Amino acid sequence: DTGVSQDPRHKITKRGQNVTFRCDPISEHNRLYWYRQTLGQGPEFLTYFQNEAQLEKSRLLSDRFSAERPKGSFSTLEIQRTEQGDSAMYLCASSLGGSGTVSTDTQYFGPGTRLTVL
Amino acid sequence: AQTVTQSQPEMSVQEAETVTLSCTYDTSESDYYLFWYKQPPSRQMILVIRQEAYKQQNATENRFSVNFQKAAKSFSLKISDSQLGDAAMYFCLAGKSTFGDGTTLTVKP
Repeated sequence: DTGVSQDPRHKITKRGQNVTFRCDPISEHNRLYWYRQTLGQGPEFLTYFQNEAQLEKSRLLSDRFSAERPKGSFSTLEIQRTEQGDSAMYLCASSLGGSGTVSTDTQYFGPGTRLTVL
Repeated sequence: AQTVTQSQPEMSVQEAETVTLSCTYDTSESDYYLFWYKQPPSRQMILVIRQEAYKQQNATENRFSVNFQKAAKSFSLKISDSQLGDAAMYFCLAGKSTFGDGTTLTVKP
């Protein structure tokens, strides 16, 4: 069990540029989540996947944000035309969904990608 | 919509003493779990303890235990024999995706 990994760990970009983050979940975990966390706040849910299907998206996920999990393994989160308000830590988590609902899953988090938009 | 409230933005405890962090939540779901996570400064979110909402018995993990009051929708975390390494931000999670705003715990030597 190598844990959840995220790449890159830090990203500095200029306003208006596009950025893409990658998340590799714990192998065999079928559910994958993206969150955004600003300094001193709790994580805010963005979206989650079960296998390759994106089952829920938060209203925080504007049309500049898109997430994919094409083969049900790793996932990418892309932000187009970045704005200074996008500066935050982007967290990925994964869980092994069982017979219960997703609200009973235990999520394991990656180290996050810290985005700074200049 | 689910809500999670952590009413203590900051807490402080003396090393070796006991501290309790509070969390209240609201959910319409019938099947859910509750979690406490620890996030040290600039470090990864780590699971501390989990409570299955259908169980009346409070969860315990070594020095960490919860006081779960389902009817009151209260889920507090008790840390016994506090250690310097317990210093971190602690987040309560209800169900799938609703976190509280966290409590910053300082441990004084």
